[in-house]
Amino acid sequence: AQKVTQAQTEISVVEKEDVTLDCVYETRDTTYYLFWYKQPPSGELVFLIRRNSFDEQNEISGRYSWNFQKSTSSFNFTITASQVVDSAVYFCALSEQDSNYQLIWGAGTKLIIKP
Amino acid sequence: DAGITQSPRHKVTETGTPVTLRCHQTENHRYMYWYRQDPGHGLRLIHYSYGVKDTDKGEVSDGYSVSRSKTEDFLLTLESATSSQTSVYFCAIRNPGGANTEAFFGQGTRLTVV
Repeated sequence: AQKVTQAQTEISVVEKEDVTLDCVYETRDTTYYLFWYKQPPSGELVFLIRRNSFDEQNEISGRYSWNFQKSTSSFNFTITASQVVDSAVYFCALSEQDSNYQLIWGAGTKLIIKP
Repeated sequence: DAGITQSPRHKVTETGTPVTLRCHQTENHRYMYWYRQDPGHGLRLIHYSYGVKDTDKGEVSDGYSVSRSKTEDFLLTLESATSSQTSVYFCAIRNPGGANTEAFFGQGTRLTVV
């Protein structure tokens, strides 16, 4: 069965530190998609990135980077030089091609950036 | 921003009363979802719809029903609200391009059952 594990319930770092949020997934499909979402204290869910199973290239967007490794079934998210505004709950999600477009969610990691 | 609106945004209701939450989209997306979010559980799927009058259950569907009579509206009904249904409810939509497309979320509805 498909599953997404975010083992880190809460992470607290001081501003300007780098931080990595882990995401490990389970799937039997060869075609699948992975997502990261951010939920700031205001409560809305904001899409950050999508990655499909055929594209293992890492991605960088400003201070954000994502490391997708099929060999370890991981899709980790790194924030470089963290800022207080990065404080949020971050969710990783999985969608399989044949799952009728359902999204399987991790439990989320609460990231606290202290000034 | 995707055009997706949830109403009401906040509601307090009494145990045993029926409650209907509404999700309205202006994006003409085929897929719509209702999730609930509770501490320690992330997002859990209640019901979803893949077209008008086409709906299916998610992992926590007991006590909930849905209806989709128009593409733009997806209603979630709690037939007889219980305290365990106190939660934040999110509606989401996805465009028909397939599973590789991201979901867009409404602002959420905070429901308190007293």
